[in-house]
Amino acid sequence: SQKIEQNSEALNIQEGKTATLTCNYTNYSPAYLQWYRQDPGRGPVFLLLIRENEKEKRKERLKVTFDTTLKQSLFHITASQPADSATYLCALVRGSQGNLIFGKGTKLSVKP
Amino acid sequence: EAGVTQSPTHLIKTRGQQATLRCSPISGHTSVYWYQQALGLGLQFLLWYDEGEERNRGNFPPRFSGRQFPNYSSELNVNALELEDSALYLCASSLGSGQAYNEQFFGPGTRLTVL
Repeated sequence: SQKIEQNSEALNIQEGKTATLTCNYTNYSPAYLQWYRQDPGRGPVFLLLIRENEKEKRKERLKVTFDTTLKQSLFHITASQPADSATYLCALVRGSQGNLIFGKGTKLSVKP
Repeated sequence: EAGVTQSPTHLIKTRGQQATLRCSPISGHTSVYWYQQALGLGLQFLLWYDEGEERNRGNFPPRFSGRQFPNYSSELNVNALELEDSALYLCASSLGSGQAYNEQFFGPGTRLTVL
């Protein structure tokens, strides 16, 4: 079955630095991959979606890359701020629609 | 525009009882998904409904069931509650299965505690 791993449970960085989070998957390559942010006790919030034929996607301070050869996606937050502190979830779906398979998330802490 | 809403916010039940959780999707969305987020386990897919039909089911026992109503709202029922059912239950909605690359919008969740 498909597995998705976010290989850091927690990441601590200093304000202003770039945070880089990693998502790896096994088996089949998904049609697309999504990144979500989740704050404690709240539902995930959609951030970015990247399709299998896209190498990179940007939105403001966020950047996502997708390497189907390595079966890996990287999520970058540049000029990080304490308000970026949250858990970031990687998710994929096999087809063009359907339920998401989530990684366990990486808890990012940005220290002032 | 109103987001995905879920009720109740918190639900406390005892072992063996039944729980009913409700979800209203964003207007115009016809797909509803249910996920369970138990401590330390991450989000696990439960059920997917679209246009009133169950499209897919996660690896959960049959005592987890649900339905989608004609107005696309949805209900999740958990029978014969067990202690390990204690979790945050999240509902998400998206445009229908005829659309490609649907991002999912999540509600705030229902915290179910089984005593």
